[in-house]
Amino acid sequence: AQTVTQSQPEMSVQEAETVTLSCTYDTSESDYYLFWYKQPPSRQMILVIRQEAYKQQNATENRFSVNFQKAAKSFSLKISDSQLGDAAMYFCASAGSQGNLIFGKGTKLSVKP
Amino acid sequence: DTEVTQTPKHLVMGMTNKKSLKCEQHMGHRAMYWYKQKAKKPPELMFVYSYEKLSINESVPSRFSPECPNSSLLNLHLHALQPEDSALYLCASSQWLAPSYEQYFGPGTRLTVT
Repeated sequence: AQTVTQSQPEMSVQEAETVTLSCTYDTSESDYYLFWYKQPPSRQMILVIRQEAYKQQNATENRFSVNFQKAAKSFSLKISDSQLGDAAMYFCASAGSQGNLIFGKGTKLSVKP
Repeated sequence: DTEVTQTPKHLVMGMTNKKSLKCEQHMGHRAMYWYKQKAKKPPELMFVYSYEKLSINESVPSRFSPECPNSSLLNLHLHALQPEDSALYLCASSQWLAPSYEQYFGPGTRLTVT
């Protein structure tokens, strides 16, 4: 069975600063995909970034990047130049073999002006 | 168009009522999902449809009955619900049912069972 663990229930960052959200996972799949989803207070979940496990290069999307450590089964999200609009619940997720998402418990990020 | 729509936005129903939640997408996606999300918790998968056929049922009680009448539409029929079923119900879709494809989520239906 796949599991995803987020050990930080809440995090806070100053506007324009950098913050890193942690995630560890466990899977028996040899090829798998990892995701960070963002759920703002308005509720709609959107994809932030995706990492394919067979790719060694860390994924990057503008101010968002990941630190993917395959051997350690770690998949952290770094947000640079934090903005007020980044305040949200962030979920780390892995995709099961049938495409279903397994989510971590989430990290609530607050951004201070 | 990368939008998944859900209606209604809010629903209050009694334990003896029958109601339905509706989800629609026009992205040509062939996989559609229902998730249940309790407050301050992650979404939990309920059902997955692939090519209008039920692919995954995560041991959901029979008072929840999914239906996929066509490739763009997904319904969740509700009957004899319990107060603990109150939650945010999220619909999602992806191009195909495979791990590599991004899931697009709708805004959800906030359900309250009284």
